[in-house]
Amino acid sequence: QVQLQESGPGLVKASETLSLTCTVSGGSISSYYWSWIRQPPGKGLEWIGYIYHSGSTDYNASLKSRVTISVDTSKNQFSLRLNSVTAADTAVYYCASSRALIYIDVWGKGTTVTVSS
Amino acid sequence: SYVLTQPPSVSVAPGQTARITCGGNNIGSKSVHWYQQRPGQAPVLVVYDDSDRPSGIPERFSGSNSGNTATLTISRVEAGDEADYYCQVWDSSSDHFLWVFGGGTKLTVL
Repeated sequence: QVQLQESGPGLVKASETLSLTCTVSGGSISSYYWSWIRQPPGKGLEWIGYIYHSGSTDYNASLKSRVTISVDTSKNQFSLRLNSVTAADTAVYYCASSRALIYIDVWGKGTTVTVSS
Repeated sequence: SYVLTQPPSVSVAPGQTARITCGGNNIGSKSVHWYQQRPGQAPVLVVYDDSDRPSGIPERFSGSNSGNTATLTISRVEAGDEADYYCQVWDSSSDHFLWVFGGGTKLTVL
């Protein structure tokens, strides 16, 4: 079964760019759909966007102007960049995979990102 | 955008049946998926496509979907079932495709 591991800075300054990477093991990134989801402290889940191995993407309309998701098939990794962060972007960020796109099969363990002023 | 509504909390005694609802406009026309999130852990898929279970999920977990309400049913509830539960649909009603999550329901085992 595919396993996912998020990595990246746990602290980002306001107005700067949040960058996270998800490393895929136990399977090829050249299959499935790869997504990012976040969860602010004490709150529910929010889908950020997804990428297919071909590079096609779709993003949550509320974040689209600030988000880029990319894939590096040579490293079996995909990445998230979120520009111009504010305190509202403080959350646990999960990477995830979907065989069927419409639901999430596998989740990473999540990584906490705090935006500081 | 499409909205999913869940009760904030549900309480049930061990051995009883818990029912967690997810409301949405004509949700019966969509496929509904359910995730369990134990404290401090990542979510886990427990039901997909309204009523199917991934391998390794106990038969105690079941789902249904009709009209404006989808329901996750947990039979013979155990202490280990205490968690937050989220429903989710794939919404293609706008010019974008997106995943929509309900607000989550905290299941308390008394």
